[in-house]
Amino acid sequence: QVQLVQSGSELKKPGASVKVSCKASGYTFTSYAMNWVRQAPGQGLEWMGWINTNTGNPTYAQGFTGRFVFSLDTSVSTAYLQISSLKAEDTAVYYCARDLEDCSGGSCYEWFDPWGQGTLVTVSS
Amino acid sequence: QSVLTQPPSASGTPGQRVTISCSGSSSNIGSNTVNWYQQLPGTAPKLLIYSNNQRPSGVPDRFSGSKSGTSASLAISGLQSEDEADYYCAAWDDSLNGPGWVFGGGTKLTVL
Repeated sequence: QVQLVQSGSELKKPGASVKVSCKASGYTFTSYAMNWVRQAPGQGLEWMGWINTNTGNPTYAQGFTGRFVFSLDTSVSTAYLQISSLKAEDTAVYYCARDLEDCSGGSCYEWFDPWGQGTLVTVSS
Repeated sequence: QSVLTQPPSASGTPGQRVTISCSGSSSNIGSNTVNWYQQLPGTAPKLLIYSNNQRPSGVPDRFSGSKSGTSASLAISGLQSEDEADYYCAAWDDSLNGPGWVFGGGTKLTVL
């Protein structure tokens, strides 16, 4: 079945870096874009951006430029999120989510399915 | 402050019908479709409704979505205890400041 499995929780000190992985299985990895979504403790969902898994071209949402990098290793069907110069406010659960698109009716519609199980990144001294 | 506006909470008793609203603008809901996600406690979000009113396979027909103008709604009929979760609406936003996906702040549904 189609699933996204993310790496485990991380505890990092301010100023350090972290790399979260998202391994896809059950479908052709390069056929669907991958999104990243952040959820701070007790808060809602925030879209961070997406990466074209065919070309490797990333697109970052406002507020997620500079310290955030999306990358791929298509040989192992895995997407990565790297965050550098970590701050306490980066403490959150990070989700990857496959982008599905339907353009069969003349217009295109998109949605996220499935989502990874989430990776908790805690930044604390 | 989320771009899409949802009530922070909703509640109902088993068997009741509840609705959750999602209000946006012409740059998001007004010109693009709406998706709904269900997040059970301690788990990842799961697709509930896509393209305004389409249910993925496996989602009970108790769940339905609709859209009118710049607002959308999620309705849950025959409320069950396992429906207790956070619900999020989402839409693509064509804003000139930076297009992208926007979410509602989430609605916590309590089954009394």
